[in-house]
Amino acid sequence: GENVEQHPSTLSVQEGDSAVIKCTYSDSASNYFPWYKQELGKGPQLIIDIRSNVGEKKDQRIAVTLNKTAKHFSLHITETQPEDSAVYFCAARILTGGGNKLTFGTGTQLKVEL
Amino acid sequence: DAGVIQSPRHEVTEMGQEVTLRCKPISGHDYLFWYRQTMMRGLELLIYFNNNVPIDDSGMPEDRFSAKMPNASFSTLKIQPSEPRDSAVYFCASSFRGKSRTDTQYFGPGTRLTVL
Repeated sequence: GENVEQHPSTLSVQEGDSAVIKCTYSDSASNYFPWYKQELGKGPQLIIDIRSNVGEKKDQRIAVTLNKTAKHFSLHITETQPEDSAVYFCAARILTGGGNKLTFGTGTQLKVEL
Repeated sequence: DAGVIQSPRHEVTEMGQEVTLRCKPISGHDYLFWYRQTMMRGLELLIYFNNNVPIDDSGMPEDRFSAKMPNASFSTLKIQPSEPRDSAVYFCASSFRGKSRTDTQYFGPGTRLTVL
């Protein structure tokens, strides 16, 4: 089955700096890669996603890049703010023929310091 | 919409007792998922349903765990008998199979289970 590895497990940045979280996946058939943000005491919430036919996607301060050849994808947050502090999860899935299972990474605790 | 609703939010029980967790998915969603989250194992998919039918229960740890979805607006996850190693946060999520098939999963607030 699919295996998703995520690094780093914790990340501390100064407010205004950029943050990058990286994931690798094992199943070359995976073609959909969402990112979820989990705030303390809440369930994960989708913040951005990317399909394998696209190399990069942006939404205001967040962006995701995908390298299919290397089976890597990354989340980039620019101009970080205190409200960006949370746990971030990457995930991978096969859109058709793969059921509806998301395989999650182990999470990155991001702390944005003032 | 109120989002995915889970109850109870917190549950403390003693080893050997039966525990029932409840979930109300978002109206109109046709998929429902049960996850378990622990520090050691992260987010694990336990089981998911499509149109109230269990599709994949390969993540259910053992026979002590069972899940049902009697109708489109209600699901339960039952643990009987409970053990201390079952202590975790249990999330329910739901999604709708649209044309894009990306099926964004919407998570509930979770139930924090502590088995003493």
